[in-house]
Amino acid sequence: DAKTTQPTSMDCAEGRAANLPCNHSTISGNEYVYWYRQIHSQGPQYIIHGLKNNETNEMASLIITEDRKSSTLILPHATLRDTAVYYCIVRGGSGGGADGLTFGKGTHLIIQP
Amino acid sequence: GAVVSQHPSWVICKSGTSVKIECRSLDFQATTMFWYRQFPKQSLMLMATSNEGSKATYEQGVEKDKFLINHASLTLSTLTVTSAHPEDSSFYICSARDPRTANYGYTFGSGTRLTVV
Repeated sequence: DAKTTQPTSMDCAEGRAANLPCNHSTISGNEYVYWYRQIHSQGPQYIIHGLKNNETNEMASLIITEDRKSSTLILPHATLRDTAVYYCIVRGGSGGGADGLTFGKGTHLIIQP
Repeated sequence: GAVVSQHPSWVICKSGTSVKIECRSLDFQATTMFWYRQFPKQSLMLMATSNEGSKATYEQGVEKDKFLINHASLTLSTLTVTSAHPEDSSFYICSARDPRTANYGYTFGSGTRLTVV
């Protein structure tokens, strides 16, 4: 699986959009970009994933650059409950077969009141 | 959506004893489940892959005789930490993939906080 690079931490004001970047310059053609988040002392929660097109669901939007070397997770109206560590993970195939996920250090997003 | 239930949510045990952690897929069948460990202020580390009806596969550096995994049914995997020591104190998390879901993402349990005293 391709390596990802994320900022260690970010702050965002409550009610504003939180934009979390992820670099994955070595991503290969069949690898998807997945985003998970982990609220303190809980298991990770799936947010969104994509291959090349931008994606949106009820939680967030995922913007993938045309060369696929980076992406941005957007939380449109951040709330205090969005404070968590956000993980960007690149892996092959939608689901990737029977392999577990490789977690990097992620970005600790802190939403300020 | 897919739900993975993990039990117990926390446990305190004495050094030298064994602790069993259960991971259940509540509304789907999971031929494969995964066990992770997370130390304070660190990321999740994959420990092993649990395969229904066959032996688990362990990541490098994880002792298979210490962390016993049983996946006897399509909805239940158990992790037993044998002869636990204080250094085994950690947050243990299981996950599974529901093949029915369009995103084919992984669903995680809520984790088990193990403290060995």
